[in-house]
Amino acid sequence: GENVEQHPSTLSVQEGDSAVIKCTYSDSASNYFPWYKQELGKRPQLIIDIRSNVGEKKDQRIAVTLNKTAKHFSLHITETQPEDSAVYFCAASRAGGENKLTFGTGTQLKVEL
Amino acid sequence: EAGVAQSPRYKIIEKRQSVAFWCNPISGHATLYWYQQILGQGPKLLIQFQNNGVVDDSQLPKDRFSAERLKGVDSTLKIQPAKLEDSAVYLCASRSDLAGTQYFGPGTRLLVL
Repeated sequence: GENVEQHPSTLSVQEGDSAVIKCTYSDSASNYFPWYKQELGKRPQLIIDIRSNVGEKKDQRIAVTLNKTAKHFSLHITETQPEDSAVYFCAASRAGGENKLTFGTGTQLKVEL
Repeated sequence: EAGVAQSPRYKIIEKRQSVAFWCNPISGHATLYWYQQILGQGPKLLIQFQNNGVVDDSQLPKDRFSAERLKGVDSTLKIQPAKLEDSAVYLCASRSDLAGTQYFGPGTRLLVL
């Protein structure tokens, strides 16, 4: 089955700096890669997703890149703000997301003032 | 649009007792998922329904866990008997047939003593 690895497990940045979280996946049939943000005690919320026919997608301060050959995708957050502090999970799925999501282990991002 | 609803939000039981969780997906969403999220980990799929049929229950501990989705709308997840290691947040998610996005409910936090 699919295995998703995520690094780093914790990341501390200064406000205004950029943050990068990286994930690798094992199943070459995976074609849908969402990123979820989870604040303490709250539900995971989708912040951005990318499909395998696209190499990069951007939404304001957030961008995701995908390298299908290397089975690697990354989340980039620019101009970080304290409200970006949360746990971020990457995930991978077959069939455009219809199948189950296999999640990474999460990255605790802390944005310091 | 109303989100995914779950109840109860919190539950404390003793080991060997039984417990049931309820989920109401977003209206019109045919696919429903139950995930287990242990503290410090990413969610892990327990079972996936398409309407009222099971698509994937390969990771459901069937000796103690059961789930149903009668009439293809609401769903219940039951644990009987509970073990200490079942302490986790149980997340319900739903997805429409038109998009890959899975939307999560607030979760039920279970503590087994």
